Amino acid sequence: SQQGEEDPQALSIQEGENATMNCSYKTSINNLQWYRQNSGRGLVHLILIRSNEREKHSGRLRVTLDTSKKSSSLLITASRAADTASYFCATSRAGKSTFGDGTTLTVKP
Amino acid sequence: GAGVSQSPRYKVAKRGQDVALRCDPISGHVSLFWYQQALGQGPEFLTYFQNEAQLDKSGLPSDRFFAERPEGSVSTLKIQRTQKEDSAVYLCASSSTRAGLQVQETQYFGPGTRLLVL
Repeated sequence: SQQGEEDPQALSIQEGENATMNCSYKTSINNLQWYRQNSGRGLVHLILIRSNEREKHSGRLRVTLDTSKKSSSLLITASRAADTASYFCATSRAGKSTFGDGTTLTVKP
Repeated sequence: GAGVSQSPRYKVAKRGQDVALRCDPISGHVSLFWYQQALGQGPEFLTYFQNEAQLDKSGLPSDRFFAERPEGSVSTLKIQRTQKEDSAVYLCASSSTRAGLQVQETQYFGPGTRLLVL
């Protein structure tokens, strides 16, 4: 079974709007990572947040981590049509990464 | 530099046929991972190597699945007597650090091999 669960499963917004995706997980972690996957392609690493960090920024991306609630969120600001993709969170523990089923984001031009 | 490459990109196999999927990690990367991704789902861990040692193969779905990395670089995932349920995208990833470290570094993914078993 999957460790992480993303919410919502699908999200459709207009270009320029912000997109927020959430991830919940079940067990303790070393770090949590967010990945992006365009249709038919491999995964691209976006950002890693360690278990002792609460917030991290990278360009238009903002990730938060709440270990007490075992949850994380990914915020994409000022979205672009090119941000259309599936987004996955992955938790790492004892060398193994476990992925959720992803959020499919559609950004309409 | 070159990223992770996988071959073939697409493979159609008849049920019962054996297949071999190849992964070329980023040069010098210590850790190598295999994942299986079914349509509409996230990747599921299969196995990982640290150099040539297979340290975790708990995700391999059956004994028909076998992975090797004999010289600590290129890896091959072999599926014997393929079944329809083996149809999926098989992703390979590599990392410059040893998996399991507290400060595990990023995994870099290849484009995947899409396997269809008829």
